[in-house]
Amino acid sequence: DAEITQSPRHKITETGRQVTLACHQTWNHNNMFWYRQDLGHGLRLIHYSYGVQDTNKGEVSDGYSVSRSNTEDLPLTLESAASSQTSVYFCASSEHESGGTEAFFGQGTRLTVV
Amino acid sequence: AQTVTQSQPEMSVQEAETVTLSCTYDTSENNYYLFWYKQPPSRQMILVIRQEAYKQQNATENRFSVNFQKAAKSFSLKISDSQLGDTAMYFCAFRASFGNEKLTFGTGTRLTIIP
Repeated sequence: DAEITQSPRHKITETGRQVTLACHQTWNHNNMFWYRQDLGHGLRLIHYSYGVQDTNKGEVSDGYSVSRSNTEDLPLTLESAASSQTSVYFCASSEHESGGTEAFFGQGTRLTVV
Repeated sequence: AQTVTQSQPEMSVQEAETVTLSCTYDTSENNYYLFWYKQPPSRQMILVIRQEAYKQQNATENRFSVNFQKAAKSFSLKISDSQLGDTAMYFCAFRASFGNEKLTFGTGTRLTIIP
């Protein structure tokens, strides 16, 4: 069965370190997204991609970067981790079409910056 | 830019009762899609129901139905015969049409079903 997986599920890192969260999907979807979930804010969009070599900033992109070198993967990098980036991170993918198809989500990564 | 508002941070209801979760949104788009996602304690995001804006008929999925009022920009979720497994966070989400497919979420409603 097709799926979308995130790794690691949990991570603790120190302030100032570079951290990369992995996202891999086997749906062959063109669209991929990274969100962060914080209490009182719901899910907020960090970065997204509509295809290989395409990346776009979301509403909370400062301090984060992504790259899309193939269809399956969209890694999220925190260039210099800050305590404000402690959060639960979700990766999602969806088909690139007009049919309003649903987005499929990974299991989430809980990141703690100490 | 689109915004999605969920004005009920928390709700609780007795098992077997009916509960309605509210969602309003703001957009200048004419063609778009609306979703309700459920997030149980496992943290997994699960699609509950979707609505296409061009369809006047309200979507239904078993015990779940929506009341879609396009002019009022309102999209509420009704859960009938609530079950303990319905306990979860519920998020309302908006997606514009082809070419602008990112989801915009509300802040969520924590629903607790009381035995």
